[in-house]
Amino acid sequence: EDQVTQSPEALRLQEGESSSLNCSYTVSGLRGLFWYRQDPGKGPEFLFTLYSAGEEKEKERLKATLTKKESFLHITAPKPEDSATYLCAVQETKAAGNKLTFGGGTRVLVKP
Amino acid sequence: DTEVTQTPKHLVMGMTNKKSLKCEQHMGHRAMYWYKQKAKKPPELMFVYSYEKLSINESVPSRFSPECPNSSLLNLHLHALQPEDSALYLCASSRSTVNTEAFFGQGTRLTVV
Repeated sequence: EDQVTQSPEALRLQEGESSSLNCSYTVSGLRGLFWYRQDPGKGPEFLFTLYSAGEEKEKERLKATLTKKESFLHITAPKPEDSATYLCAVQETKAAGNKLTFGGGTRVLVKP
Repeated sequence: DTEVTQTPKHLVMGMTNKKSLKCEQHMGHRAMYWYKQKAKKPPELMFVYSYEKLSINESVPSRFSPECPNSSLLNLHLHALQPEDSALYLCASSRSTVNTEAFFGQGTRLTVV
């Protein structure tokens, strides 16, 4: 059974304090790994797609990387507006219908 | 434009009511999804439509009935719900059902009383 585990569950940062979020996954074959940001009461906002080990994607203060067993979301010099829950999701090669399996998320709070 | 529009934003319904949630996208996406999200939990897949045909039903109770009238619209018909069905219902769409990112709407906050 596919498993996606995110750590830590919650992260409190001072503004400017860089950190990394982890997403470890167990699938028989990875088709894609997706990162989303979700604000309270809102739908997830797409950030990145990663397809193969060694791939990296960047957007503003966020950088996502992928290995064969995990992905990291690095937040560089975060600002209060980066506070959100960050979700990773995997799509397994045998998954029908673009089914995404989500991790539990990491709640990030950036204090000024 | 990566917008998926859901209406209504909030809905309160009694256990004997019938209501519908609506979702619309104009990105030309051919796959559409319904997810359910409880507080502080990740989204859980309910249904997948591919080219307007139901391709996945994740063993969802029959009190939830999806409908895809055309490639831009997705409905979720609700009947005889239970209080435990209260949640954020999210619609999403993607270009296809293979290896493409899904874009989510802002959700409908449903409360069953």
